Amino acid sequence: DVVMTQSPLSLPVTLGQPASISCRSSQSLVYSDGNTYLNWFQQRPGQSPRRLIYKVSKRDSGVPDRFSGSGSGTDFTLKISRVEAEDVGVYYCMQATRWPRTFGQGTKVEIK
Amino acid sequence: EVQLLESGGDLVQPGGSLRLSCAASGLSFSSSAMNWVRQAPGKGLEWVSTIGGSGNVTLYADSVKGRFTISRDNSKNTLYLHMNGLRVEDAAVYYCARDWQLANWGQGTLVTVSS
Repeated sequence: DVVMTQSPLSLPVTLGQPASISCRSSQSLVYSDGNTYLNWFQQRPGQSPRRLIYKVSKRDSGVPDRFSGSGSGTDFTLKISRVEAEDVGVYYCMQATRWPRTFGQGTKVEIK
Repeated sequence: EVQLLESGGDLVQPGGSLRLSCAASGLSFSSSAMNWVRQAPGKGLEWVSTIGGSGNVTLYADSVKGRFTISRDNSKNTLYLHMNGLRVEDAAVYYCARDWQLANWGQGTLVTVSS
């Protein structure tokens, strides 16, 4: 199975400041079609997960442009350019290149 | 707007069975692969199972293989998860999610396994 490793697991941030979450996979996530199926999800307290980013860097509809995804191969990053109060929650990366699908452990973002 | 509504969660004894449902609207259901993902209390997300749009492809996590069966009724726009031989470690909120990339999620249904 592909192991997804996120860091940090806890991320206290100041409102208006940037935040960055790393996600590393134990195997390359490049699929045979040339695409890299690495997704990012946000789970606010008490809510179900919501996809923010798919295929490494494509933002879902309605996702603020302060969220951005980057990376390649086995090394990926989710960045929030200026953290807002509504960004509090747990963020998960997930690979959808290989079976079984696997998630990172989650990174809890909180306001300092 | 895509809407996914799970139901069927309940308290069940170890070894028991349960069927979860996920009613979908606002999408071309028969064209969409569908998934079940679970989250144990206070824990992270775990992929459980995926079914292709026509139902001809089904995949399972090793932790549920042989005990859970995913199915769908495209005439009813509904996804199912048949759960047999439930274990304490199967207790979780179960979410259904749309497509191979889990684009949309429901609100989840709680399964509790306890004697």
